Amino acid sequence: QKEVEQDPGPLSVPEGAIVSLNCTYSNSAFQYFMWYRQYSRKGPELLMYTYSSGNKEDGRFTAQVDKSSKYISLFIRDSQPSDSATYLCAMTSYTGTASKLTFGTGTRLQVTL
Amino acid sequence: DGGITQSPKYLFRKEGQNVTLSCEQNLNHDAMYWYRQDPGQGLRLIYYSQIVNDFQKGDIAEGYSVSREKKESFPLTVTSAQKNPTAFYLCASSTRDSGSYEQYFGPGTRLTVT
Repeated sequence: QKEVEQDPGPLSVPEGAIVSLNCTYSNSAFQYFMWYRQYSRKGPELLMYTYSSGNKEDGRFTAQVDKSSKYISLFIRDSQPSDSATYLCAMTSYTGTASKLTFGTGTRLQVTL
Repeated sequence: DGGITQSPKYLFRKEGQNVTLSCEQNLNHDAMYWYRQDPGQGLRLIYYSQIVNDFQKGDIAEGYSVSREKKESFPLTVTSAQKNPTAFYLCASSTRDSGSYEQYFGPGTRLTVT
Protein backbone atom coordinates (compact mmCIF):
# COMPACT_ATOMS: atom_id res chain seq x y z
CA GLN A 1 0.00 0.00 0.00
CA LYS A 2 1.29 3.44 -0.92
CA GLU A 3 1.81 6.00 1.84
CA VAL A 4 -0.24 8.54 -0.11
CA GLU A 5 -3.21 7.61 -2.28
CA GLN A 6 -4.69 9.93 -4.89
CA ASP A 7 -7.29 9.18 -7.56
CA PRO A 8 -5.60 9.73 -10.93
CA GLY A 9 -8.81 10.83 -12.66
CA PRO A 10 -9.26 12.27 -15.18
CA LEU A 11 -11.83 14.54 -13.62
CA SER A 12 -13.86 16.58 -16.08
CA VAL A 13 -16.04 19.48 -14.91
CA PRO A 14 -17.80 22.40 -16.62
CA GLU A 15 -16.48 25.91 -16.22
CA GLY A 16 -17.72 27.53 -13.02
CA ALA A 17 -18.07 24.25 -11.11
CA ILE A 18 -16.64 23.61 -7.67
CA VAL A 19 -13.88 21.02 -7.83
CA SER A 20 -12.90 18.74 -4.98
CA LEU A 21 -9.54 16.96 -5.10
CA ASN A 22 -8.52 14.55 -2.38
CA CYS A 23 -5.69 12.49 -0.95
CA THR A 24 -5.55 9.93 1.81
CA TYR A 25 -2.41 8.94 3.67
CA SER A 26 -1.30 6.31 6.12
CA ASN A 27 1.65 7.90 7.96
CA SER A 28 0.33 9.70 11.03
CA ALA A 29 3.66 11.54 11.39
CA PHE A 30 2.92 13.78 8.40
CA GLN A 31 2.53 17.38 9.59
CA TYR A 32 2.94 19.54 6.49
CA PHE A 33 0.59 19.17 3.54
CA MET A 34 1.09 20.75 0.14
CA TRP A 35 -0.78 21.00 -3.13
CA TYR A 36 1.12 21.45 -6.37
CA ARG A 37 -0.29 22.20 -9.82
CA GLN A 38 1.48 20.79 -12.86
CA TYR A 39 0.69 21.77 -16.42
CA SER A 40 1.52 19.29 -19.15
CA ARG A 41 5.27 18.86 -19.68
CA LYS A 42 6.11 21.49 -17.04
CA GLY A 43 7.51 21.43 -13.52
CA PRO A 44 5.06 21.47 -10.59
CA GLU A 45 4.28 24.79 -8.93
CA LEU A 46 3.33 25.11 -5.28
CA LEU A 47 -0.29 26.23 -4.81
CA MET A 48 -0.82 25.99 -1.09
CA TYR A 49 0.53 24.42 2.05
CA THR A 50 -1.09 23.70 5.39
CA TYR A 51 0.45 22.82 8.70
CA SER A 52 -1.39 20.23 10.79
CA SER A 53 -5.21 20.27 10.70
CA GLY A 54 -7.65 22.92 9.57
CA ASN A 55 -8.54 25.00 6.54
CA LYS A 56 -6.60 27.53 4.55
CA GLU A 57 -8.03 29.76 1.87
CA ASP A 58 -6.27 31.60 -0.95
CA GLY A 59 -8.52 33.20 -3.52
CA ARG A 60 -10.51 30.49 -5.28
CA PHE A 61 -8.55 27.73 -3.56
CA THR A 62 -9.20 26.16 -0.17
CA ALA A 63 -7.02 23.47 1.38
CA GLN A 64 -8.44 21.30 4.11
CA VAL A 65 -6.68 18.80 6.37
CA ASP A 66 -8.39 16.24 8.59
CA LYS A 67 -5.63 14.46 10.47
CA SER A 68 -8.04 12.26 12.40
CA SER A 69 -9.19 10.74 9.11
CA LYS A 70 -5.80 11.10 7.38
CA TYR A 71 -7.54 12.92 4.56
CA ILE A 72 -6.70 16.15 2.77
CA SER A 73 -8.67 18.09 0.18
CA LEU A 74 -8.24 20.95 -2.24
CA PHE A 75 -11.36 22.82 -3.33
CA ILE A 76 -11.39 25.06 -6.39
CA ARG A 77 -14.31 27.47 -6.67
CA ASP A 78 -15.52 28.96 -9.95
CA SER A 79 -13.22 26.68 -11.92
CA GLN A 80 -11.71 28.04 -15.12
CA PRO A 81 -10.30 26.34 -18.22
CA SER A 82 -6.88 27.60 -17.08
CA ASP A 83 -7.23 25.35 -14.02
CA SER A 84 -6.93 22.32 -16.32
CA ALA A 85 -3.79 20.59 -15.06
CA THR A 86 -2.63 17.74 -12.87
CA TYR A 87 -2.87 18.40 -9.14
CA LEU A 88 -0.38 16.68 -6.86
CA CYS A 89 -0.66 16.41 -3.12
CA ALA A 90 2.55 16.16 -1.11
CA MET A 91 3.31 15.78 2.56
CA THR A 92 6.17 15.51 5.01
CA SER A 93 6.77 14.96 8.69
CA TYR A 94 9.93 17.02 8.93
CA THR A 95 11.06 20.40 7.81
CA GLY A 96 14.65 21.26 8.60
CA THR A 97 17.22 22.40 6.08
CA ALA A 98 15.69 19.90 3.67
CA SER A 99 12.40 18.02 3.56
CA LYS A 100 11.68 14.65 2.02
CA LEU A 101 8.28 15.03 0.45
CA THR A 102 6.00 12.10 -0.31
CA PHE A 103 3.81 12.77 -3.32
CA GLY A 104 0.51 11.39 -4.50
CA THR A 105 0.29 10.21 -8.08
CA GLY A 106 -1.67 13.31 -9.13
CA THR A 107 -5.23 13.92 -10.33
CA ARG A 108 -5.71 15.19 -13.86
CA LEU A 109 -8.39 17.89 -14.02
CA GLN A 110 -10.09 19.10 -17.19
CA VAL A 111 -12.34 22.17 -17.02
CA THR A 112 -14.51 22.43 -20.10
CA LEU A 113 -16.22 25.49 -21.62
CA ASP B 1 14.68 36.73 -12.59
CA GLY B 2 15.22 34.19 -9.81
CA GLY B 3 14.51 30.59 -10.55
CA ILE B 4 15.68 27.11 -11.37
CA THR B 5 16.94 26.14 -14.79
CA GLN B 6 17.33 22.65 -16.14
CA SER B 7 19.00 21.73 -19.36
CA PRO B 8 18.47 20.31 -21.82
CA LYS B 9 14.68 20.11 -22.07
CA TYR B 10 14.85 16.88 -24.08
CA LEU B 11 17.71 14.38 -24.05
CA PHE B 12 18.16 11.22 -26.07
CA ARG B 13 20.79 8.59 -25.30
CA LYS B 14 21.67 5.08 -26.30
CA GLU B 15 21.50 2.32 -23.74
CA GLY B 16 24.79 1.83 -21.92
CA GLN B 17 25.79 5.51 -21.96
CA ASN B 18 26.02 7.70 -18.91
CA VAL B 19 24.28 11.06 -19.15
CA THR B 20 24.42 14.16 -16.95
CA LEU B 21 21.43 16.43 -16.36
CA SER B 22 22.07 20.03 -15.36
CA CYS B 23 20.29 21.94 -12.60
CA GLU B 24 21.13 25.52 -11.61
CA GLN B 25 19.36 27.86 -9.18
CA ASN B 26 19.88 31.53 -8.38
CA LEU B 27 17.47 31.63 -5.44
CA ASN B 28 20.26 31.28 -2.86
CA HIS B 29 18.55 28.14 -1.58
CA ASP B 30 20.55 25.76 0.58
CA ALA B 31 18.70 22.56 -0.28
CA MET B 32 18.36 20.98 -3.71
CA TYR B 33 16.56 17.84 -4.83
CA TRP B 34 16.23 15.50 -7.77
CA TYR B 35 12.95 13.73 -8.50
CA ARG B 36 11.88 11.32 -11.17
CA GLN B 37 8.33 11.32 -12.55
CA ASP B 38 6.82 8.37 -14.38
CA PRO B 39 3.23 8.08 -15.64
CA GLY B 40 0.92 6.97 -12.84
CA GLN B 41 3.65 7.03 -10.18
CA GLY B 42 3.93 10.62 -9.06
CA LEU B 43 7.29 12.10 -8.07
CA ARG B 44 9.93 9.94 -6.44
CA LEU B 45 12.99 11.35 -4.69
CA ILE B 46 16.37 10.31 -6.12
CA TYR B 47 18.89 12.42 -4.17
CA TYR B 48 18.89 15.58 -2.11
CA SER B 49 21.50 17.93 -0.74
CA GLN B 50 21.26 20.23 2.26
CA ILE B 51 24.61 21.92 1.84
CA VAL B 52 27.59 22.12 -0.48
CA ASN B 53 29.66 18.93 -0.64
CA ASP B 54 26.97 16.90 1.13
CA PHE B 55 24.09 14.85 -0.28
CA GLN B 56 21.84 11.99 0.77
CA LYS B 57 20.13 9.17 -1.08
CA GLY B 58 16.43 9.37 -1.62
CA ASP B 59 14.06 6.50 -2.23
CA ILE B 60 15.36 5.43 -5.64
CA ALA B 61 19.08 6.33 -5.74
CA GLU B 62 20.33 3.15 -7.41
CA GLY B 63 21.88 3.85 -10.79
CA TYR B 64 22.21 7.59 -10.18
CA SER B 65 24.97 9.83 -8.85
CA VAL B 66 25.13 13.51 -7.92
CA SER B 67 27.61 16.17 -6.86
CA ARG B 68 27.22 19.50 -5.04
CA GLU B 69 30.40 21.47 -5.55
CA LYS B 70 28.62 24.83 -5.67
CA LYS B 71 25.54 26.08 -3.87
CA GLU B 72 23.91 26.98 -7.18
CA SER B 73 24.46 23.70 -8.97
CA PHE B 74 23.31 20.10 -8.42
CA PRO B 75 23.95 17.93 -11.51
CA LEU B 76 22.52 14.42 -11.77
CA THR B 77 24.27 11.61 -13.65
CA VAL B 78 22.14 8.76 -14.89
CA THR B 79 24.50 5.82 -15.19
CA SER B 80 24.26 2.73 -17.34
CA ALA B 81 23.38 0.82 -14.15
CA GLN B 82 19.94 2.47 -14.02
CA LYS B 83 17.62 -0.18 -15.44
CA ASN B 84 14.76 2.07 -16.57
CA PRO B 85 16.22 5.53 -17.15
CA THR B 86 13.55 6.87 -19.51
CA ALA B 87 11.55 9.37 -17.44
CA PHE B 88 10.86 13.02 -16.72
CA TYR B 89 13.48 14.39 -14.29
CA LEU B 90 12.72 17.33 -12.06
CA CYS B 91 15.08 19.40 -9.98
CA ALA B 92 13.86 21.44 -7.01
CA SER B 93 15.24 23.70 -4.32
CA SER B 94 14.11 25.06 -0.98
CA THR B 95 15.21 27.30 1.84
CA ARG B 96 14.82 26.70 5.55
CA ASP B 97 13.82 30.35 5.99
CA SER B 98 10.41 29.85 4.40
CA GLY B 99 10.11 26.17 5.21
CA SER B 100 11.89 23.47 3.28
CA TYR B 101 8.52 21.90 2.47
CA GLU B 102 8.06 24.78 -0.01
CA GLN B 103 10.01 23.31 -2.85
CA TYR B 104 10.38 25.18 -6.12
CA PHE B 105 10.73 23.12 -9.26
CA GLY B 106 12.55 23.61 -12.50
CA PRO B 107 10.95 22.95 -15.91
CA GLY B 108 12.26 19.39 -16.09
CA THR B 109 14.33 17.29 -18.49
CA ARG B 110 12.70 14.50 -20.43
CA LEU B 111 15.24 11.71 -20.92
CA THR B 112 14.68 8.99 -23.47
CA VAL B 113 17.07 6.03 -23.60
CA THR B 114 16.81 3.55 -26.47
